[in-house]
Amino acid sequence: SQTIHQWPATLVQPVGSPLSLECTVEGTSNPNLYWYRQAAGRGLQLLFYSVGIGQISSEVPQNLSASRPQDRQFILSSKKLLLSDSGFYLCAWSVERTGNTIYFGEGSWLTVV
Amino acid sequence: GQQVMQIPQYQHVQEGEDFTTYCNSSTTLSNIQWYKQRPGGHPVFLIQLVKSGEVKKQKRLTFQFGEAKKNSSLHITATQTTDVGTYFCAGRGSNYKLTFGKGTLLTVNP
Repeated sequence: SQTIHQWPATLVQPVGSPLSLECTVEGTSNPNLYWYRQAAGRGLQLLFYSVGIGQISSEVPQNLSASRPQDRQFILSSKKLLLSDSGFYLCAWSVERTGNTIYFGEGSWLTVV
Repeated sequence: GQQVMQIPQYQHVQEGEDFTTYCNSSTTLSNIQWYKQRPGGHPVFLIQLVKSGEVKKQKRLTFQFGEAKKNSSLHITATQTTDVGTYFCAGRGSNYKLTFGKGTLLTVNP
């Protein structure tokens, strides 16, 4: 069966520090991968999606970047965090192209202080 | 671009009352999905509707997809405290991307 792992689960980072959130998917090949952010308003904001290794699409301009170094690995990064980067970050995957259901990881709570 | 509006934003009910959340898309959808997020948790897939006018049931939950495939609803009969959480609809348009509504936060008073 497929599983998705995301870490760290929580982190508190000072303003201006770097960020790296990592996500891996097991049990499937060539998945679509996603990073979402959920801020205080509860809505799910799509940040990045990837349909293959090295292929990243950004949905909104921001202080963050994403990379997909391997088929089932997705990384969210920042060189210098802002206070506004605080939130709940969710990695997710779906079946390639026909991708109907999105499966979310357990999320990472980021607090920038 | 495709937009998915969801109402209400919040709903507080007494245990045993019914609850409904509505979802409307600016464009025709190929399918619509519903997710539930418990407090402190991550969204979990509930169901997908594909056909025009489709109705699906999961115990006390009834999901409907409109005839024009632009709107959907989730109805919970006789809510229980375990129903607490945020319910999201997500519409899939002509491409593979899914657009989420902002969700309806349901709280249930025991």
